[in-house]
Amino acid sequence: GENVEQHPSTLSVQEGDSAVIKCTYSDSASNYFPWYKQELGKRPQLIIDIRSNVGEKKDQRIAVTLNKTAKHFSLHITETQPEDSAVYFCAASNTGNQFYFGTGTSLTVIP
Amino acid sequence: DAGVIQSPRHEVTEMGQEVTLRCKPISGHNSLFWYRQTMMRGLELLIYFNNNVPIDDSGMPEDRFSAKMPNASFSTLKIQPSEPRDSAVYFCASSFRSGEGQPQHFGDGTRLSIL
Repeated sequence: GENVEQHPSTLSVQEGDSAVIKCTYSDSASNYFPWYKQELGKRPQLIIDIRSNVGEKKDQRIAVTLNKTAKHFSLHITETQPEDSAVYFCAASNTGNQFYFGTGTSLTVIP
Repeated sequence: DAGVIQSPRHEVTEMGQEVTLRCKPISGHNSLFWYRQTMMRGLELLIYFNNNVPIDDSGMPEDRFSAKMPNASFSTLKIQPSEPRDSAVYFCASSFRSGEGQPQHFGDGTRLSIL
């Protein structure tokens, strides 16, 4: 089955700096890669996703890149703000629509 | 859209008792997922349904756990008998299953504490 690894597990950045979270996957059949943000005590919420026919996608300060050959994808947050502090999860999915989640990255943005 | 609705939000009960968690998926969604989240094990998929049919229950810890989806708008996750190690946050999520991946939308979760 699919195995998704996520790094780093914790990340601290100064407000205004960029943050990058990286994930690798093992199943070449995976073709959908969502990213979720989970604030403390809240539910995971989708923030951005990318499909295997696209190499990069951007939404304001958030971008995701995908390298199918290397089987890795990354989340980039620019101009970080304190409200970006949360746990971020990556996931991979094939057409069976089951998600395989990474172990999460706890991001702290220091004011 | 009301989103995925879970009840109860919090449940505290003594070990040995039966616990039933409930979920109403987003209208029109045809896939439903039950997850368990703990600090130690992260987000674990317990079971998921497509068109009310259980597809993969390999994540269900043991026979004490059971899940049903009697219709497209309702699902339950039952633990009987409950144990302290079952304490966790249980999330339900739903999505629209098509030929390509679709985002899953999570409910607010049920925080379960077994004493």
